[in-house]
Amino acid sequence: EAQVTQNPRYLITVTGKKLTVTCSQNMNHEYMSWYRQDPGLGLRQIYYSMNVEVTDKGDVPEGYKVSRKEKRNFPLILESPSPNQTSLYFCASSPRGGRAEKLFFGSGTQLSVL
Amino acid sequence: GESVGLHLPTLSVQEGDNSIINCAYSNSASDYFIWYKQESGKGPQFIIDIRSNMDKRQGQRVTVLLNKTVKHLSLQIAATQPGDSAVYFCAVKDDKIIFGKGTRLHILP
Repeated sequence: EAQVTQNPRYLITVTGKKLTVTCSQNMNHEYMSWYRQDPGLGLRQIYYSMNVEVTDKGDVPEGYKVSRKEKRNFPLILESPSPNQTSLYFCASSPRGGRAEKLFFGSGTQLSVL
Repeated sequence: GESVGLHLPTLSVQEGDNSIINCAYSNSASDYFIWYKQESGKGPQFIIDIRSNMDKRQGQRVTVLLNKTVKHLSLQIAATQPGDSAVYFCAVKDDKIIFGKGTRLHILP
């Protein structure tokens, strides 16, 4: 089944404790992206990747890192999480980012930073 | 920069009636428009899209209308069912994709 898989679904952590949220897609998509979703603000892009070893900042990149060593994986890293990073996170992919194509989303990771 | 807004944060519709969800955008250069559905506890799911060279596109029970003159986009759901209960939001693309904040659709029995 074609899908975007994120793990974990739920995560509670404490301020300053490094964490990684994994994202994997099995559709051979070139483009992958991370979003955070907050009440009243909608989906905001954190980072995106047009292809392997190519990553770029989105609208709200502060406090996050990403890597794209393989086509299928695009982990989101929080080196020193803070409470303002408590949010619902979504990973998404599409065949090619330069063209206008629909995004396929994962099921989300609800992160709480205490 | 581009901004995308929805007219109503919440919409309640009687089961069996048609639903209309609206979206406005600001950049006349936007060339691709998408509607997503997000059910509780799930990620957004693609419903239908339309490119700027069209003004109407139909899918199964859904229709998207694009009015480029007033920069307005709408999603029409025919014969609304309980399974249509979700948050619907539009996304607009010019050089990047901007998401609207969403309209929560409630289905009344």
